[in-house]
This record gives sequence, structure tokens and C-alpha cells, in this order.
Amino acid sequence: GDSVTQTEGLVTLTEGLPVMLNCTYQSTYSPFLFWYVQHLNEAPKLLLKSFTDNKRPEHQGFHATLHKSSSSFHLQKSSAQLSDSALYYCAFASSGSWQLIFGSGTQLTVMP
Amino acid sequence: EAAVTQSPRNKVTVTGGNVTLSCRQTNSHNYMYWYRQDTGHGLRLIHYSYGAGNLQIGDVPDGYKATRTTQEDFFLLLELASPSQTSLYFCASRGGQDTQYFGPGTRLLVL
Repeated sequence: GDSVTQTEGLVTLTEGLPVMLNCTYQSTYSPFLFWYVQHLNEAPKLLLKSFTDNKRPEHQGFHATLHKSSSSFHLQKSSAQLSDSALYYCAFASSGSWQLIFGSGTQLTVMP
Repeated sequence: EAAVTQSPRNKVTVTGGNVTLSCRQTNSHNYMYWYRQDTGHGLRLIHYSYGAGNLQIGDVPDGYKATRTTQEDFFLLLELASPSQTSLYFCASRGGQDTQYFGPGTRLLVL
């Protein structure tokens, strides 16, 4: 069945270092991939979403590339900031589906 | 941005108690969802609806009922609350291009 996997539960790194959070998926049909971010005591909100035309989505310095060959949509940023500390969810929806399937989340902590 | 509100924001009840969580969206979205969030499990779908009077079962529906009274309002009912239902509950609505917009959450404690 359809699923999404985030292998890291916790990621801790130093401010200024690059960020990469892993996301892989299994889907029978062409998926749309999403990254949601949830700061402490806030609701999850959309960070970025894959495009159907294979453009690379970017937002707030984060970007992600959908690689259908490896079924991945890793989240990257060249230089982490303290304000990036949050819980990050990868999610996907099959084309035409009503449901988002969420990964288990990765808690990112950026240290000074 | 889409507006989704939830009430109450915090709720304490006892085992066996009756709880209703409320959600309202004012963006004319058809789809609405109820999730629970627990450490180590992420966001898990309880129930969802694609319009007034419609209800669909999600991935973790046991112990929960839901009702969609209008396009704007979606309720989650716990008729015999148990400690295992202690959690953070989020409501969401789905707008264009499959994006879901989440409410601020309701923190429920079942003693």
C-alpha cells in the first residue's frame, strides 16, 4: 500500500551547517509530495509542494526535488538557522486522492 | 490564507466522559479532516468528510464518532473517553492543489 517514510526521528545540527531531511515514499500512482513544518505549540503548515512539471519548489531557503526513480523528496537547505528548529513532516497524495499520508516526522534542532 | 478554528483549545475529562471537539472553516472547502498527533506516530487520520452530512472513516477511527453539520462545521465526538485518547487533535480543511490547512489544535487530557 501507499506509505511515506522519514528515517530520522531527531536531527541536531549547528547553525550555519546544511540541512537534509530524508523522505521516501511508496505509491502506485503518480504522487504529489509535500513538506509541512510545525513550530512549537503551533499548527502544521505547508512549507513546500512538488510541482507536476518537475520544477524544484523553494520556500524560506528550503528546497526539495522529487526523484521518481528513487521515490524520494528530501528536504534541503544550504545553511541552517536557529529559527528552523521545528518538527517537519513529509506527506504525499496520490493524483486525485482526497487523503494526505504523513510520515512520522523529523524533529530538527538547530544549535548556536 | 485559509482560516480554520477549533474549540476548546484545552480540555480535561475523566475516563468514561463525553467530549465534543469543534472545528470551523470559513473558506468554503469541501474536505475536512480530524487528526490526532502523538509523539512517535506523527499525524494520524481519524475521520474525514467531503461535505455536509458526509462522513468517511480514517486510519484510527476506533472510539471516535464525527459529524459534519454544515460545510463549515465538523465535530469529533468521544462518547466514552479513555486515557489512550489523551492527545493533541487537529482539524484541517483542504483547499486548492491538495493543500491542507490546519487549525490551532485541541489538547485533550483524559484522566
